[in-house]
Amino acid sequence: EIVLTQSPDTLSLSPGERATLSCRASQSVSSTYLAWYQQKPGQAPRPLISSVSIRIKGIPDRFSGSGSGTDFTLTISRLEPEDFAVYYCQQYSSSALTFGGGTKVEIK
Amino acid sequence: QVQLQESGPRLVKPSETLSLTCNVSGVSISGYYWSWIRQPPGKGLEWIGYFYNSGSTNYNSSLASRVTFSGDTSKNQFSLLLTSATAADTAIYYCARGSWKIDSWGQGILVTVSS
Repeated sequence: EIVLTQSPDTLSLSPGERATLSCRASQSVSSTYLAWYQQKPGQAPRPLISSVSIRIKGIPDRFSGSGSGTDFTLTISRLEPEDFAVYYCQQYSSSALTFGGGTKVEIK
Repeated sequence: QVQLQESGPRLVKPSETLSLTCNVSGVSISGYYWSWIRQPPGKGLEWIGYFYNSGSTNYNSSLASRVTFSGDTSKNQFSLLLTSATAADTAIYYCARGSWKIDSWGQGILVTVSS
């Protein structure tokens, strides 16, 4: 089973700043099967990005994904008030799906 | 637009079976993969497994011995059974569409395992 490690655990930033979230895999992940989700308190996760860098329909272009192999990044170019939330990366490999532990983006 | 709604007992006694149903609207469950994912209060997400209505299933190896999925096309719903429940199974349970890529989620249902 591939383990995903997200860092940092918490990111304290101000609106308008750039957020860079890291997701590192214990083994190489196919680019097809790496996704990102946003979760706000009391809500279900919301799909943001699939296949490393493809934004889901309706997701603002300030969200972008990049990476390959074992290192992946979610970037939020300019934080809006509604972007403060927890973000999870997720991979699928060898018939098993795993999530990272999450990064909380909080208001500084 | 697909909508999913979880239902079932919110309190389960230890050693009993946790049983949940996901009602799907907006699309037929036939032809799609469907998943269950859970989240212990204040913690991260754990994939339970997915199934295809033809009967194909894929379970998280850590839960496989206790989990069963099924689907009912006449009611357009699918279900989760988790046997021998313990306090560690206390979580918000989400039903969702997709196998490797989850594109739609239910709102989630908190199930507590306690006597």
